[in-house]
Amino acid sequence: KAGVTQTPRYLIKTRGQQVTLSCSPISGHRSVSWYQQTPGQGLQFLFEYFSETQRNKGNFPGRFSGRQFSNSRSEMNVSTLELGDSALYLCASSQFGDGYTFGSGTRLTVV
Amino acid sequence: GESVGLHLPTLSVQEGDNSIINCAYSNSASDYFIWYKQESGKGPQFIIDIRSNMDKRQGQRVTVLLNKTVKHLSLQIAATQPGDSAVYFCAENISGSARQLTFGSGTQLTVLP
Repeated sequence: KAGVTQTPRYLIKTRGQQVTLSCSPISGHRSVSWYQQTPGQGLQFLFEYFSETQRNKGNFPGRFSGRQFSNSRSEMNVSTLELGDSALYLCASSQFGDGYTFGSGTRLTVV
Repeated sequence: GESVGLHLPTLSVQEGDNSIINCAYSNSASDYFIWYKQESGKGPQFIIDIRSNMDKRQGQRVTVLLNKTVKHLSLQIAATQPGDSAVYFCAENISGSARQLTFGSGTQLTVLP
């Protein structure tokens, strides 16, 4: 059974640009959540989607957004990138609200 | 101001010894807990979970203990191996429609040969 797939693995962007990250959950998992991991703040919750609906959102500015498609794949978008957005962005999928399985993440560097 | 990294507690153990990693959780309403292992350059890997109606749960070489009175979790790893070296995180969750994991700051486990 394939795990959670995140693409791309690495990204380098310039301040002010925008970026879109992709996450394909485990087959059959309808919940996808996103986390930001930085050395300074640790792992922080961004948002969670279930059946194309955002059910919960963390304390991040509106520049961070996401969506989920009918096949449960999810994307997150960060607009007007800032240096502080450099982080490892992790996606997790879940079937019944437990056993959250994470992908390998997308390492975003903003220069 | 200058950004500083989280101060990760560290634990060094001899290969073959047992390891105990502790975690204090924040929300008394949390009823689901997960331990993750994260190796450098990888995403967190699920190790074991426990619900609040249990005090103890065992897996392969791992045991999680939950003390709800003092809001404390521990992860015990038996016969620690070099491949166990990683950062270990506990995560808490409140069951319901708001699926959100709150993570601890993590513990760096180093297994000495």
